[in-house]
Amino acid sequence: GNSVTQMEGPVTLSEEAFLTINCTYTATGYPSLFWYVQYPGEGLQLLLKATKADDKGSNKGFEATYRKETTSFHLEKGSVQVSDSAVYFCALMKAAGNKLTFGGGTRVLVKP
Amino acid sequence: GAVVSQHPSWVICKSGTSVKIECRSLDFQATTMFWYRQFPKQSLMLMATSNEGSKATYEQGVEKDKFLINHASLTLSTLTVTSAHPEDSSFYICSVREGAEYNEQFFGPGTRLTVL
Repeated sequence: GNSVTQMEGPVTLSEEAFLTINCTYTATGYPSLFWYVQYPGEGLQLLLKATKADDKGSNKGFEATYRKETTSFHLEKGSVQVSDSAVYFCALMKAAGNKLTFGGGTRVLVKP
Repeated sequence: GAVVSQHPSWVICKSGTSVKIECRSLDFQATTMFWYRQFPKQSLMLMATSNEGSKATYEQGVEKDKFLINHASLTLSTLTVTSAHPEDSSFYICSVREGAEYNEQFFGPGTRLTVL
């Protein structure tokens, strides 16, 4: 079946540091890939997505590239802010309208 | 994207009682909504897919008689936890499916259920 594996947290870093959160997936075919973010006390928000191989999703300074050859969708940000402290979820959707499969989530804490 | 609300945001109940959680799509007519459960510091697990005007589709291992889902209109789905027990304490989240290719979901803020 489909599955998503992402690095366990918490990840603690200083403001302006570089952030990488690894995400790999298992699925047949070409699923759509997503990163969701959950800020403290709030619901999940779509951060970025990619729907085909080599696509790069980007938003709010975050980027992730759909790598079919390594079945990965790693999230990166060049300079984090305290406001980026949140839990980040990698997810895949096998086909349009189908259900989302989430990774375990990675908690990120950015200190001033 | 779609704006989704949930009510209540937090509920505490006694063991054996039933609790109803509402999920509303405020600006979008949703034929399909999803219900997830999130344990502390863990990921979301899909419980069921709620279809307007028809029976919900439950994931394997989810008791349909315990978690009753009603999707009576295009803007409202409800999840009722019947005869709740402490092990049902969790964070329940709904989402609405939207997008030209229906590959985006927009999530409500969640409802925290604590069963004493």
